[in-house]
Amino acid sequence: DTGVSQDPRHKITKRGQNVTFRCDPISEHNRLYWYRQTLGQGPEFLTYFQNEAQLEKSRLLSDRFSAERPKGSFSTLEIQRTEQGDSAMYLCASRLEGSRGLDTEAFFGQGTRLTVV
Amino acid sequence: AQSVTQLDSHVSVSEGTPVLLRCNYSSSYSPSLFWYVQHPNKGLQLLLKYTSAATLVKGINGFEAEFKKSETSFHLTKPSAHMSDAAEYFCVVSRNAGNMLTFGGGTRLMVKP
Repeated sequence: DTGVSQDPRHKITKRGQNVTFRCDPISEHNRLYWYRQTLGQGPEFLTYFQNEAQLEKSRLLSDRFSAERPKGSFSTLEIQRTEQGDSAMYLCASRLEGSRGLDTEAFFGQGTRLTVV
Repeated sequence: AQSVTQLDSHVSVSEGTPVLLRCNYSSSYSPSLFWYVQHPNKGLQLLLKYTSAATLVKGINGFEAEFKKSETSFHLTKPSAHMSDAAEYFCVVSRNAGNMLTFGGGTRLMVKP
C-alpha cells in the first residue's frame, strides 16, 4: 500500500443518475476525509470519519450526498440524482491521529473527476 | 472557526529568482498550518507543516515557511525558483487535536525561463 487510491479516476454521468465513488486509505490511518474541488478553487471539506464513525459533515453536503465507511477501512461517497453543479473533482484523504492529538500529515488520493452532462 | 486567505491568486517569477507565496490565517485556537502543492493531474502533496514547534519550517524541494503569530501569517518562500516548481500551491489550517483541514483558494505559481 503506497498511498490513498480512488476509483474511478473519471466519471461521466447524465443528470439525474446516481454515482458512487470509492476511496481506499492508507491501511493504518484511522481518519478519512472527503473534499470537493471545483476548477480554480481550493478543496472544500465535505465530511470526515474517525474509523467507521462519521463525525462531521459540511453544510455543502446536501441530502443527495451520503458517505459510509462501514468497517473503518475503505469509504464510499454516493451522490443521488446528480446535478450539473455536482461536476467537480472529489478528493479523499487519510491521516493517522497523532499522539496528544497533534495533527499529522494528510495524504490525498488523485481524486475522481465527475462530469455531469 | 478557522479560515485561510492566500493573498495572490497568481504569481509569476523568472527561473532562479526568489519565490514568495503569501498566506494569512484566522483561527480561534493554536493552529497547525500546512502548505500543499498540486501539479496538473497529480494528487496534493505536502510541502511542509507547522505544528507549534520551531516557527521556521523547512520543507521539501528547498521550500520553507515562517509562522508569525503576531501577523497571523505563514508565507511560503524559496530562494531560487526552478521550472519544475510551476504548480498550484495551497495554504491549509487545521486545529490541533482537530479534524477538518481548511484550504485557501490557492496560488498558481508560474516560472518563466
